[in-house]
Order: sequence, then structure tokens, then C-alpha cells
Amino acid sequence: GQNIDQPTEMTATEGAIVQINCTYQTSGFNGLFWYQQHAGEAPTFLSYNVLDGLEEKGRFSSFLSRSKGYSYLLLKELQMKDSASYLCAPLDSNYQLIWGAGTKLIIKP
Amino acid sequence: DADVTQTPRNRITKTGKRIMLECSQTKGHDRMYWYRQDPGLGLRLIYYSFDVKDINKGEISDGYSVSRQAQAKFSLSLESAIPNQTALYFCATSAMESDTGELFFGEGSRLTVL
Repeated sequence: GQNIDQPTEMTATEGAIVQINCTYQTSGFNGLFWYQQHAGEAPTFLSYNVLDGLEEKGRFSSFLSRSKGYSYLLLKELQMKDSASYLCAPLDSNYQLIWGAGTKLIIKP
Repeated sequence: DADVTQTPRNRITKTGKRIMLECSQTKGHDRMYWYRQDPGLGLRLIYYSFDVKDINKGEISDGYSVSRQAQAKFSLSLESAIPNQTALYFCATSAMESDTGELFFGEGSRLTVL
């Protein structure tokens, strides 16, 4: 079966760094997305990885290891507005997104 | 104005009623999707459409139907709503020619079935 595993909730301090891990098992693989979703709002695109390695985009970076079925999202210089849920979503062999339940990130002053 | 617009944004209805959620987009994308989101669960795909003549069932299509009236419009219907269809519903679009297949979401329609 297809499965996504990411922590339900994490807490971090403003200005710090946090890493949100995601492990996945899918039927085939065509890349992995990270989306950010503030409470009650629509998800918004953060990153896409299709090859192994680190993709950096400002304060956010995303890493992928296809052989390990593993990805992480790294958020640096945390701001209060980063309080949100972070959704890991690999793309399977049919190019369908398989969504994790998301990690709720709480930022404290 | 939002590129992907959903109406209504909130709806409370009773069991057995017919409900339609509408989605329109100005992004010019060919692909449109309907998802539902429940607390503690990932987004689940209900239906998707890659063009006006293409309709496909997703993971949880039972109890739902869709209509792709035009490239820009994709409606979701609940013929006879039941309480376990209470959820947050999202419409999304993507461009066929996109390298990443990034999804663009509407603001969501919160449906409560009593």
C-alpha cells in the first residue's frame, strides 16, 4: 500500500531552525512536493524534489533520498508566520499525489 | 481576485439534500481536481479532469459526482448529502505543461451536513 509518515506536531522557537521529516512508500515515484497550509486556508506550494539532494529556496530547503524513501523540509530563521501545517506529498507512478496528514508546526516567541 | 474561486465558502445543510460546490479558475489550466480534507487525514482526491471531455474518479468518489462545464469550471455535487461528508473541500488546478505539476488551490468550501 501507499503510506506517508510525518510527525503530527512540532514546536520550535522564533529565530531557530526546524527540520520536518517525511518517509513514504508509494507505487512508483515521480517526485515529492512540500506544501504549507495555514489553519483554515488553502495549501500553497513550497518545493518540489525529483532528484536526490538538497533544494534551497530562501529560508526553506527540501531534501530527498529516493533510495531511503525519505525527505525533509528545513526551515531557518523561523518567524511567527511560519506557524502552519506542512504537507509532504509524493507523486506516484500514475502521477497522482499521495498526501500525508501534515505536520503542525507551532512557533513560540 | 483569487485565481481559483470556490463557491460557496461555507454551507450547512441537512441529510438527504443535494449540494453543489462550484469552482472556477482564471489560470487557463487544463487540469482540475476536487479534494476533501478531514482533521488528522491527508487530502483525498475525489475526482479529477484533465480537459473538458475527461473525467476520472479519484480515491473516494462514492457519493459524489462532477461536471466539467468548461475549461474554467468544475463542479462537485453531492446528490444526497450524509453527515460523514462533512469536511473541507478544495478545488485545485494544474498546468499540463508544468515541469512540476504544482497544484493551485482554491480557498476551500466548508460543508457541514446535519
